Amino acid sequence: AQKITQTQPGMFVQEKEAVTLDCTYDTSDPSYGLFWYKQPSSGEMIFLIYQGSYDQQNATEGRYSLNFQKARKSANLVISASQLGDSAMYFCAMRPNQAGTALIFGKGTTLSVSS
Amino acid sequence: NAGVTQTPKFQVLKTGQSMTLQCAQDMNHNSMYWYRQDPGMGLRLIYYSASEGTTDKGEVPNGYNVSRLNKREFSLRLESAAPSQTSVYFCASSDRRGVRSYEQYFGPGTRLTVT
Repeated sequence: AQKITQTQPGMFVQEKEAVTLDCTYDTSDPSYGLFWYKQPSSGEMIFLIYQGSYDQQNATEGRYSLNFQKARKSANLVISASQLGDSAMYFCAMRPNQAGTALIFGKGTTLSVSS
Repeated sequence: NAGVTQTPKFQVLKTGQSMTLQCAQDMNHNSMYWYRQDPGMGLRLIYYSASEGTTDKGEVPNGYNVSRLNKREFSLRLESAAPSQTSVYFCASSDRRGVRSYEQYFGPGTRLTVT
């Protein structure tokens, strides 16, 4: 069965430190996509970063990078130089290799950044 | 370009009442989705529509119906609301185009309480 697992219900980090949010996935498809979304307390879902299964390099978007280890089926999100505004819920999601199918989401990790 | 819009933003229903959640997108996307978000559960798929004229059940379809009215609009109906349907509902749309294939664009959400 296709599944996303986020094992950290909550993470705490100080401003300017880096933090890694864990995500492992399970699929037998050779082609898939992996996403990270941020959900602040206001509730909207904000796209952060995407990694395709055939991408050779790890994805980066500003302070966000995705540590993609295909053999281990992990897609950890790394946030460098945390900011207070990074405090939010973070969801890892997988897009199976079928047109029009929905994303499969993990249960999320709450990140709290303190000054 | 409004993206994905949802109405209403908030709703309180009594058990047994019915209502329809409306969703529209202006990005000419083929696929649309309805998710619900409950604490500690992440986002779970209720129904999706891979293309205009088709709908399919997701992980938690019981108690809901959907209509893909046209390419832009995808509505979710609760025929007889139950307290277990108290949740935040997100509509999303996606398309194959672009580097981030099948990236989902989310609406702002509807917070529904059933008493």
